[in-house]
Amino acid sequence: DAKTTQPPSMDCAEGRAANLPCNHSTISGNEYVYWYRQIHSQGPQYIIHGLKNNETNEMASLIITEDRKSSTLILPHATLRDTAVYYCIVRVAHSGAGSYQLTFGKGTKLSVIP
Amino acid sequence: NAGVTQTPKFQVLKTGQSMTLQCAQDMNHEYMSWYRQDPGMGLRLIHYSVGAGITDQGEVPNGYNVSRSTTEDFPLRLLSAAPSQTSVYFCASSYSWVAGINTGELFFGEGSRLTVL
Repeated sequence: DAKTTQPPSMDCAEGRAANLPCNHSTISGNEYVYWYRQIHSQGPQYIIHGLKNNETNEMASLIITEDRKSSTLILPHATLRDTAVYYCIVRVAHSGAGSYQLTFGKGTKLSVIP
Repeated sequence: NAGVTQTPKFQVLKTGQSMTLQCAQDMNHEYMSWYRQDPGMGLRLIHYSVGAGITDQGEVPNGYNVSRSTTEDFPLRLLSAAPSQTSVYFCASSYSWVAGINTGELFFGEGSRLTVL
């Protein structure tokens, strides 16, 4: 699986949009971009994923650049409950992939400030 | 719907003792896995299973054993506990690894916090 690079920490004012960047310059054509978050010491929680098109769900939006070498997770109106570590992960997502491992880096610690 | 259930939530062991961390899911998921998380680090894969009777090693398998006799259960066994195995352990499951059919998302349990003295 491709390696990702994320800033170690970011701050965001409550109510503002939080934009979390991720670099994955070695991503291959069959690898998806996944985002998870971990609130305090709880189990990680799935947020969103995408292959090459921008995606939106009830939690967030995912913007993937045209060359797919980077992406941005957008939390449109951050709340205090969004304070967490956010992980950007790229992985193959088809059967017979030969690798069923999610590689978690250290992620970005997002602090939402009142 | 309970999701992924891990037991126990907390455990203290002495060096050399053995124990089993239990993981059960009620979502009929094919894929199950165990991760460990150490302070300041991301999660590292220990073992995983793509179906009943099928298991394989992840990034850090030494000192751990797994089996998958049913779809629902995926226990993690510590054979002879060492202080280096002090960690938080997470079990995760997924309906399928294939993102094209569904999201391919992993559902995580709440974690089991293990201390080895």
